[in-house]
Amino acid sequence: DVKVTQSSRYLVKRTGEKVFLECVQDMDHENMFWYRQDPGLGLRLIYFSYDVKMKEKGDIPEGYSVSREKKERFSLILESASTNQTSMYLCASSPNNRPGELFFGEGSRLTVL
Amino acid sequence: GENVEQHPSTLSVQEGDSAVIKCTYSDSASNYFPWYKQELGKRPQLIIDIRSNVGEKKDQRIAVTLNKTAKHFSLHITETQPEDSAVYFCAAALTGGGNKLTFGTGTQLKVEL
Repeated sequence: DVKVTQSSRYLVKRTGEKVFLECVQDMDHENMFWYRQDPGLGLRLIYFSYDVKMKEKGDIPEGYSVSREKKERFSLILESASTNQTSMYLCASSPNNRPGELFFGEGSRLTVL
Repeated sequence: GENVEQHPSTLSVQEGDSAVIKCTYSDSASNYFPWYKQELGKRPQLIIDIRSNVGEKKDQRIAVTLNKTAKHFSLHITETQPEDSAVYFCAAALTGGGNKLTFGTGTQLKVEL
């Protein structure tokens, strides 16, 4: 079974804090993604990576950065958290031979006060 | 970039009835169209997908149809059961073009007894 593990299920941070969300997958997938999920807005892509040290902007990259130093790990960084970044964050991975088949983590619910 | 619209946002059906969810996409180059199901409190999971060289695909009670000319695709669930209650997301992607999935805003399906 593919396992995508997100380090924190629930986080509460204050405005201006730096936030790290970690994601690890154990299936040697080339592609990794960060989405945020908000009611009525669906799943919106923040950043994705198709190889180590490679990153591509998604649809809503503003206020976020990412790091992929190892194939299995993809980190999402909020340099200075703001209240409008309160959301559910979903990490996903997919293999190159089935790039559209995303395997999601359980999500990290971030609240910024 | 790609834009995916999904309707309806909520759908309520009686057990045993059929349910249809419709999506349209904007980028005629998109060639891969998956559907994901997200049960309450759980991660999204792929339930069926279709590629642009196919018009219809079935898997037991679920089917997906694709009209490339009109740029729309639909999910059909027959003989609905309570366990079909979930949020369903459609998505579109150009595989090989960065493997980026763009999701619709989701449909909350409720199957009533």
